[in-house]
Amino acid sequence: EAGVTQFPSHSVIEKGQTVTLRCDPISGHDNLYWYRRVMGKEIKFLLHFVKESKQDESGMPNNRFLAERTGGTYSTLKVQPAELEDSGVYFCASSHPGQGLYEQYFGPGTRLTVT
Amino acid sequence: RKEVEQDPGPFNVPEGATVAFNCTYSNSASQSFFWYRQDCRKEPKLLMSVYSSGNEDGRFTAQLNRASQYISLLIRDSKLSDSATYLCVVNMKSWGKLQFGAGTQVVVTP
Repeated sequence: EAGVTQFPSHSVIEKGQTVTLRCDPISGHDNLYWYRRVMGKEIKFLLHFVKESKQDESGMPNNRFLAERTGGTYSTLKVQPAELEDSGVYFCASSHPGQGLYEQYFGPGTRLTVT
Repeated sequence: RKEVEQDPGPFNVPEGATVAFNCTYSNSASQSFFWYRQDCRKEPKLLMSVYSSGNEDGRFTAQLNRASQYISLLIRDSKLSDSATYLCVVNMKSWGKLQFGAGTQVVVTP
């Protein structure tokens, strides 16, 4: 079974530019999450989709961040315009209701550098 | 105060030895608990979920103490490949957003 995939693996952009990150969850997983780790800090939650609906976007830092999940499959996270403090590693995770706890499985992350 | 606190380490452990470390969480209403492992510049990988009664998976044993609001992880017979950062992760529900600790670094030496 293929895991969570993310694209690109790295992105270097200048302040003020736009970047779009993509996440493909594990097939059949209704729940999709975005997280971010900035330098020296712990991983922080950004938002949670259930299928195509935003269940919780309490972690989104500001309105420069826009997440979508069209058709309830893959998701995109757009940062526009990017600022220096947006640099970090953006992780996507997915989960599906099953027996026990809703364990989340993470993708390899996109390392974003804003210069 | 952070929601999930961990000793950053590093814990330097001789190969074959046992190492144990804890994390504490601030919200007594937290419902689900996990240990993830993260290798350098990689994604977090689920190591084990932590159940109320405690659970074991091979050389790894996790315990939950709700009264004192801490979770522990014990690694027996440490292998070189156990060197990693161990992330304590808590959830207010059985699903939804995870809250991460900053991680405990473990270094297993020959």
